[in-house]
Order: sequence, then structure tokens, then C-alpha cells
Amino acid sequence: AQSVAQPEDQVNVAEGNPLTVKCTYSVSGNPYLFWYVQYPNRGLQFLLKYITGDNLVKGSYGFEAEFNKSQTSFHLKKPSALVSDSALYFCAVRSGDSNYQLIWGAGTKLIIKP
Amino acid sequence: KAGVTQTPRYLIKTRGQQVTLSCSPISGHRSVSWYQQTPGQGLQFLFEYFSETQRNKGNFPGRFSGRQFSNSRSEMNVSTLELGDSALYLCASSLALGPQETQYFGPGTRLLVL
Repeated sequence: AQSVAQPEDQVNVAEGNPLTVKCTYSVSGNPYLFWYVQYPNRGLQFLLKYITGDNLVKGSYGFEAEFNKSQTSFHLKKPSALVSDSALYFCAVRSGDSNYQLIWGAGTKLIIKP
Repeated sequence: KAGVTQTPRYLIKTRGQQVTLSCSPISGHRSVSWYQQTPGQGLQFLFEYFSETQRNKGNFPGRFSGRQFSNSRSEMNVSTLELGDSALYLCASSLALGPQETQYFGPGTRLLVL
């Protein structure tokens, strides 16, 4: 069965420090991976996706994610955190050989402290 | 281009009533998906439509239904509302079907059932 795990419910980072939000997945076939961010009382905003090719994907707002096939991971990273990055982050995956339904992680709350 | 719009943004209903939520996708997008988001259950997939046909369906009771019109606009209906239906209902559109397609979300409709 396909699944996505975000092992941390919450991540706390000091402003200016690097941040990592973890995501691991399990799919049959090639994975297509996505990161979204949700600010309070808002819909989800697309950050970046991995389809194929370069394992390091760059996205919006200075975020990037690294695809690691051997570890089945797709961690979200940013070199220097901003207080405004505080939000809820979701990882999602599709398999290339299924009905294309997105499978979502439970979300990770990111708190950036000044 | 205008983003995904959802109406109404807020709704208060009582148990036993029914409700219809509307979603207008980004111009040119032909796929619309619906999600229910609650603090306890996270993001739950309801259904996906493409070219007026339901392509995927999540594990929700038959009280939840949807449809898509020829202009790609979509509606979802919940009949015989229960307290547990209180949630943020999110609509997302994408250009087409396929594992690489990015879903773009609307702001959501917050439904409160009393």
C-alpha cells in the first residue's frame, strides 16, 4: 500500500538557523513527490515537486527538497529560517503506475522562534 | 490567472440539513479534487473529477457526493449533516490527470454543524 510518513508533528527552529522537515514514502513504481504549505485559515500552497532528474529540487520562498531513492525520503529544507515560515507543511506522493490519487502525510507544524 | 475560488467561505448549518459547496478551478484546468480537513484526521480525500466524470473516490459515506459541470466547475453536496462533518473543505484543481500534475488549492469553505 502507498503511504507517506511525516515523523515529526512539530519542528522548532530558531530564526536564521537551517530547517529540515522530514518525509518518507512508500509506493510501487516511480514516486512523484510534492510539498505544500498551509498558513492559518488558508488553503494549501504548492512549494515544489519531484518528478524525475536532479535529486535536489528548488521551490518557492527559498525552500528546496532532496529526493533520496535508497532511503525513500524527500526532506524539505531551507538554509536560513524566517519567522514567516511558521506554518503547517504537508508532504504528498503519487505513484506513476496507479490511479494518480495523491497520498498525504499528516502534516508537520513548523515553528520559527525569533 | 485567477486562482481556485470556493463559495461560500463560511457556513453554519444544523444537524440533518444538507449543504452544497462550490468550486471554480483555475481557467483551463479540467481536474477538480475535494478534501476534508479536520484537526484530528488531517487531510482526507473525498473525490476527484475530470471531464465531468468521477475518477477517484475516498472512503466517505454516500452522504457525500459531488459533480462536475462542462465548464469544469464542481460542486459537492453533503446530506443529512452530522456534527462530525464540521471541517474545512478544500477544493484543488489541476490541468489534467497524471502523476506529475500539480494540484492548486482554493482557500476552503469552513463548515460548522451545530
